[in-house]
Amino acid sequence: DTEVTQTPKHLVMGMTNKKSLKCEQHMGHRAMYWYKQKAKKPPELMFVYSYEKLSINESVPSRFSPECPNSSLLNLHLHALQPEDSALYLCASSQTTQGASTDTQYFGPGTRLTVL
Amino acid sequence: AQSVTQLDSQVPVFEEAPVELRCNYSSSVSVYLFWYVQYPNQGLQLLLKYLSGSTLVESINGFEAEFNKSQTSFHLRKPSVHISDTAEYFCAVSESSNYKLTFGKGTLLTVNP
Repeated sequence: DTEVTQTPKHLVMGMTNKKSLKCEQHMGHRAMYWYKQKAKKPPELMFVYSYEKLSINESVPSRFSPECPNSSLLNLHLHALQPEDSALYLCASSQTTQGASTDTQYFGPGTRLTVL
Repeated sequence: AQSVTQLDSQVPVFEEAPVELRCNYSSSVSVYLFWYVQYPNQGLQLLLKYLSGSTLVESINGFEAEFNKSQTSFHLRKPSVHISDTAEYFCAVSESSNYKLTFGKGTLLTVNP
């Protein structure tokens, strides 16, 4: 099973709402990632979790709050977002932890977020 | 810091024609190179990667890429494309010294009948 699943597929929220994105993998991977992808742009790294601990935060605003409850799950909690945060949010996982730059990252299909 | 340049933002071709998608990188240390493909409304999938050894790497669906250290390039080629190859293709690089995967801006390959 080389699948990374993400829910929901689509999400529309207002600027005062609180919502969460969910990502799950059952490949035994110990590194998990959140990326943001704007239309017609490459993915931009947001966060990296290594062995369920946050190891990298790419200077992401605090209105995005990641959480890794266990080795298979990764959440992204959203609060007080802005319209410019509308994008495709991609989750990925890889076998080993940061520093293993040869690893293949496996991506989920993404959650398309619209902030009104 | 590493960087990736994909010179062509769009490449339209006819079905069964050959195609080359260009990728150049910049880095001061050893690098590992990847091509990912993104079909419409989907996530990214690894197409192929170069880590070491033979400079020519192949994918299961007929794509190949050649690592050229002197020209700092990793161009993707396919001798005969299909309609189903229509997608966005991203070249990416990681350095041996860190975890981060840096993507190019992507090339939209459109295969027309």
